[in-house]
Amino acid sequence: DTGVSQNPRHKITKRGQNVTFRCDPISEHNRLYWYRQTLGQGPEFLTYFQNEAQLEKSRLLSDRFSAERPKGSFSTLEIQRTEQGDSAMYLCASSFDRGSGGYTFGSGTRLTVV
Amino acid sequence: GIQVEQSPPDLILQEGANSTLRCNFSDSVNNLQWFHQNPWGQLINLFYIPSGTKQNGRLSATTVATERYSLLYISSSQTTDSGVYFCAAPVYNTDKLIFGTGTRLQVFP
Repeated sequence: DTGVSQNPRHKITKRGQNVTFRCDPISEHNRLYWYRQTLGQGPEFLTYFQNEAQLEKSRLLSDRFSAERPKGSFSTLEIQRTEQGDSAMYLCASSFDRGSGGYTFGSGTRLTVV
Repeated sequence: GIQVEQSPPDLILQEGANSTLRCNFSDSVNNLQWFHQNPWGQLINLFYIPSGTKQNGRLSATTVATERYSLLYISSSQTTDSGVYFCAAPVYNTDKLIFGTGTRLQVFP
C-alpha cells in the first residue's frame, strides 16, 4: 500500500471558479477525514466518512463545500465559487475504526485562489 | 469543546541535544496522537498514545490521561527532526481531532 494519496498537489485558481480535489485512502481503512490548514495553524476538521456515510460536517464547511465518498473508496472535496479565504492546504487522512490506531495523512493539496 | 495547548511554541536546538515537548488538553480523552509536519508539509503520525509510554527509536511519548497532559521526548536530536510537532485529541465520543497550535523545532548542525 502506498499510503494516502491526494491529487493534485497544487492548484491555482481564479476567484469564482470551482475546484475539486481527490483523496485515495489506505484501502483497509474505512474512515476518511478532510482537514484544512492555514499558514502557522494546526489542521482544522472539515468532515469525515465511515465507509460511504458522511458522519459529521464542521461549521467551517459552508454550503460552497461538498464532499463525497462513493462506494466507500476514494473521496472528493469540491469548492464552488472559490474565494481568496479558501486558500489553504487541504489534507486528507484515513484510519481504521475508532480506537484501533492513529490517522495516516496524505501530502495535501495546496490551493491558491487569486 | 476540548482545548489543546502546546508548549513551547518554538524550540531551537543544536544537533545532539535532548528536548521535551508538552501537550495539555482540557477534557478527558480516549486517545491522543502526536504528529511531525516536515518542512514540505507532510504530516507523519509519530504516536497513537491514549495512556502510558511508548518508544520509537530516539522518540518516546508519555500520556497521563488522569492529569490531562502528554509529553514527547526527542533524544540526540538531528537536523531531520526539524519541523512542527502537533498533538491532537478527539472531541468526546467522535473521531474528530482537535489539533494544538504546534511546537516549531529547529535543529542546527
